[in-house]
Amino acid sequence: DQQVKQNSPSLSVQEGRISILNCDYTNSMFDYFLWYKKYPAEGPTFLISISSIKDKNEDGRFTVFLNKSAKHLSLHIVPSQPGDSAVYFCAASAPGAGSYQLTFGKGTKLSVIP
Amino acid sequence: DTGVSQDPRHKITKRGQNVTFRCDPISEHNRLYWYRQTLGQGPEFLTYFQNEAQLEKSRLLSDRFSAERPKGSFSTLEIQRTEQGDSAMYLCASRAGLLSSGNTIYFGEGSWLTVV
Repeated sequence: DQQVKQNSPSLSVQEGRISILNCDYTNSMFDYFLWYKKYPAEGPTFLISISSIKDKNEDGRFTVFLNKSAKHLSLHIVPSQPGDSAVYFCAASAPGAGSYQLTFGKGTKLSVIP
Repeated sequence: DTGVSQDPRHKITKRGQNVTFRCDPISEHNRLYWYRQTLGQGPEFLTYFQNEAQLEKSRLLSDRFSAERPKGSFSTLEIQRTEQGDSAMYLCASRAGLLSSGNTIYFGEGSWLTVV
């Protein structure tokens, strides 16, 4: 049972344009969400997070939006740069439910075309 | 480098052998995770420690897998009688406090295991 779903395995965007990566979740106990970026043969690198009490969090070129009613979040990257090309993972946590683990989606491979 | 450190980075072993991976978390982090990642998948949770206590284990952590954090600092993940299906990247991660307090989870570079 995939509790965190990233339905787009890949996304191509022109440099300078907006990249929008989507994530859906099914577990209503999730109350903290994170996005990670991963290059091949490296560990995931934290990008940005959002608590369920917010609907938006912004950090530089990265903004995460959370729609709790739809159980959907998205990561916006503006403007996209070639160095953003990587696999992006959405992750969710339910600490309030006594679970400490992060549950990850399968990832979306972003390619930013110069 | 004060990040999460994992050793070895790469390990090739024959089926049936035992392997051990070590993780040194960020020094002030008392919470530590082990994850496994295979090709085309996201990281899958294996186990979680708070200080030396192992508080959560995944069903993926079969009897052949054991993780320890004896002094609440570094941790080891041992796989006994390795099988080809154990081939994966094993990731360690750590954090300082509650996620809701703004603490995030930092991952190491991972340890690649190939079972031949």
